[in-house]
Amino acid sequence: AQTVTQSQPEMSVQEAETVTLSCTYDTSESDYYLFWYKQPPSRQMILVIRQEAYKQQNATENRFSVNFQKAAKSFSLKISDSQLGDAAMYFCAYRRVNAGNMLTFGGGTRLMVKP
Amino acid sequence: DADVTQTPRNRITKTGKRIMLECSQTKGHDRMYWYRQDPGLGLRLIYYSFDVKDINKGEISDGYSVSRQAQAKFSLSLESAIPNQTALYFCATSDRTPPDTQYFGPGTRLTVL
Repeated sequence: AQTVTQSQPEMSVQEAETVTLSCTYDTSESDYYLFWYKQPPSRQMILVIRQEAYKQQNATENRFSVNFQKAAKSFSLKISDSQLGDAAMYFCAYRRVNAGNMLTFGGGTRLMVKP
Repeated sequence: DADVTQTPRNRITKTGKRIMLECSQTKGHDRMYWYRQDPGLGLRLIYYSFDVKDINKGEISDGYSVSRQAQAKFSLSLESAIPNQTALYFCATSDRTPPDTQYFGPGTRLTVL
């Protein structure tokens, strides 16, 4: 079974600085997708970024980028120029290709942004 | 207007009561999902449906049932609620095109006393 581990229950960052959230996963598959979701206090789950395992290039969405290390099964999220609105729970998620579309989530990292 | 809506947003009920949570979407997606979120555990899949006639159990389906009334509607029922079903429940949708990213509703907070 696939597992997703987020080893940092909480992180904090100063406004305008950069922070990296860690995620590792365990799988025997070669083709899969990885996602980062943000959950602010409103509790809405918002897609931040996604990565296809077959793509070597790291995904980027504005201030958010990932460091995808397939051999190490690592998928970290870097937030640059942190803003107060970035404060939220962040969840890493994994999905096999052609396997019922089930997302497997990590336990989450709570990010606090200090003004 | 929100693409994925859930009703109710909050619900308090008693042990043994039947509860239905409803999800509607205007995204035109074929696929719909129900997840449960407990503190520290992330989200876990309860049921999913790839179209109106296709319903599948997820990781934690015991104690739950679902109904796909139409492409846009997917409801989750707790036939006889118990306290350990107290959680945050999310509906999600996706289309068929890879990577068929899932988009979530605002969640329903359910408390079973």
